[in-house]
Amino acid sequence: DAGITQSPRHKVTETGTPVTLRCHQTENHRYMYWYRQDPGHGLRLIHYSYGVKDTDKGEVSDGYSVSRSKTEDFLLTLESATSSQTSVYFCAISEQASGRGYTFGSGTRLTVV
Amino acid sequence: GENVEQHPSTLSVQEGDSAVIKCTYSDSASNYFPWYKQELGKRPQLIIDIRSNVGEKKDQRIAVTLNKTAKHFSLHITETQPEDSAVYFCAADRAGGGATNKLIFGTGTLLAVQP
Repeated sequence: DAGITQSPRHKVTETGTPVTLRCHQTENHRYMYWYRQDPGHGLRLIHYSYGVKDTDKGEVSDGYSVSRSKTEDFLLTLESATSSQTSVYFCAISEQASGRGYTFGSGTRLTVV
Repeated sequence: GENVEQHPSTLSVQEGDSAVIKCTYSDSASNYFPWYKQELGKRPQLIIDIRSNVGEKKDQRIAVTLNKTAKHFSLHITETQPEDSAVYFCAADRAGGGATNKLIFGTGTLLAVQP
């Protein structure tokens, strides 16, 4: 496939619990991103990484943290899930030199009840 | 930071007609403009892109135009077919030149092609 997988694909969790989403790539790309997709808002950047242990905030980073200890894995953590974080989360990878934009994962549908 | 606006939010056309989706961006340093297509329940996929040193690019029935002065770019789909029905996203980025590659997306256009 595209060399990028997200897990889990679906998750239901309770308000106030921590949640971690995983993005795994086999392309050895330097850049990895987490977006959330909501109706009327399109795709909004949460956090991104430009190398191992190098991360930065995106447009909607409040309530989220990330970690990248290996090139292939980029983790997104919701420290204390809220209903407003119910969304579809997409991971993307990019090799900047190619300039060909992103390859997206299949998404994780997260429901916070 | 960059802000991308996209219009219209929904677009319905008859099969065989043309469809045009428009986007504007705010950061004059942006130099890379991709378009993504997302079918229902699927991941977004790149369909065409354009760099700021090019005014127009075509790929079969799809074309993108860029007006750097006005800071807007458009997607044109000719001879639309039912399989073109999807959500389309524009995006902008300052690729290269030392800037970190990170796409900022528009809010999407739901295109419905009526048979």
